[in-house]
Amino acid sequence: AQKVTQAQTEISVVEKEDVTLDCVYETRDTTYYLFWYKQPPSGELVFLIRRNSFDEQNEISGRYSWNFQKSTSSFNFTITASQVVDSAVYFCALSERSTGGFKTIFGAGTRLFVKA
Amino acid sequence: KAGVTQTPRYLIKTRGQQVTLSCSPISGHRSVSWYQQTPGQGLQFLFEYFSETQRNKGNFPGRFSGRQFSNSRSEMNVSTLELGDSALYLCASSLVRDNEQFFGPGTRLTVL
Repeated sequence: AQKVTQAQTEISVVEKEDVTLDCVYETRDTTYYLFWYKQPPSGELVFLIRRNSFDEQNEISGRYSWNFQKSTSSFNFTITASQVVDSAVYFCALSERSTGGFKTIFGAGTRLFVKA
Repeated sequence: KAGVTQTPRYLIKTRGQQVTLSCSPISGHRSVSWYQQTPGQGLQFLFEYFSETQRNKGNFPGRFSGRQFSNSRSEMNVSTLELGDSALYLCASSLVRDNEQFFGPGTRLTVL
């Protein structure tokens, strides 16, 4: 069965600090996809990144970076030099094959507070 | 390009009633998924439609149903509403079923 664990319920940092959000997943499938989404106070989920199970290359996009390690089933997300606008709930998600197609499971989310 | 739209944005119903929520995906997207978000249970997968066929379903009772039309627009229906159905219902569309999903603003349902 698939499972996504985001052990950090809430994180509070001061602006300009770096912060890493952890994500650990479980799956029996060899083909799967991992995602990170941001949910700001407005409520709409914003796609940040997708990784497939065959691509372990880390990625950097501006202040955001992602570290995918299959050996530890982790897909961690780091925000460098955090800003107040980064305050949101961040969700890690796993999409794997299920009967008839793909099924996406979300972690419980990590609420990030960035204080000025 | 217009994003995913959901209507209505807010809804108040009473127990026992039924409700229909609508989702219009991004133009060209054929996959539509529905999720329920509550403070206690988080984001839970309801079902996924692709080319008018339900391809996947989450662990929800039969009171939750949905459908997709030929233009990819989707509706979900909840019958015999219960207090616990109060939630934010999110719809997401994607170009192909394993691609990134683009979410709508959600419909906030309150059951009294």
